[in-house]
Amino acid sequence: GQSLEQPSEVTAVEGAIVQINCTYQTSGFYGLSWYQQHDGGAPTFLSYNGLDGLEETGRFSSFLSRSDSYGYLLLQELQMKDSASYFCAAPMFSGGYNKLIFGAGTRLAVHP
Amino acid sequence: DTGVSQDPRHKITKRGQNVTFRCDPISEHNRLYWYRQTLGQGPEFLTYFQNEAQLEKSRLLSDRFSAERPKGSFSTLEIQRTEQGDSAMYLCALSRGEDYGYTFGSGTRLTVV
Repeated sequence: GQSLEQPSEVTAVEGAIVQINCTYQTSGFYGLSWYQQHDGGAPTFLSYNGLDGLEETGRFSSFLSRSDSYGYLLLQELQMKDSASYFCAAPMFSGGYNKLIFGAGTRLAVHP
Repeated sequence: DTGVSQDPRHKITKRGQNVTFRCDPISEHNRLYWYRQTLGQGPEFLTYFQNEAQLEKSRLLSDRFSAERPKGSFSTLEIQRTEQGDSAMYLCALSRGEDYGYTFGSGTRLTVV
């Protein structure tokens, strides 16, 4: 099976940098995805790391270290609109298809 | 517009009643998923369709739950004899491909009273 652990809450101020960590335990691992979800909204895809290292997409970056079973999402130049829940997720393969297993989410609150 | 339309957005029902939710992909996708999300938790996998074939059903789904995807386009999720524990957000998702980027619908929020 798979389990993903992430902090339940993170607080930061506008303009700052915040890192949301995700550690995983899995019997088979292919990569780590990140999703953002605003209150009342749908989860939206942010990034995927299939290989170790840093992937950068604008103000957001995601990192993966397979040897440490660890990844993180880095948000720079925080804006109020970044206040949301962030989920790490890993694909689990079965019978030729995949399904995503999600962590419980980290609620980010950005303050002025 | 997320590319996936779900109907209804909200549903309040009395315990013991049956409910049905619908998911309509705006464009063709052969992989369709249903997830359930409760407050403060991540989405939990319920079931997966490849075209019209239901390939996996989570043990979270009791016999009261059934899902269909006739003709491999829209999908429905039915819950019979609803219980208060069924109260949750039910999300439909489409797979984009190998980057595991799912496109989620806005969900149906079910409240069982």
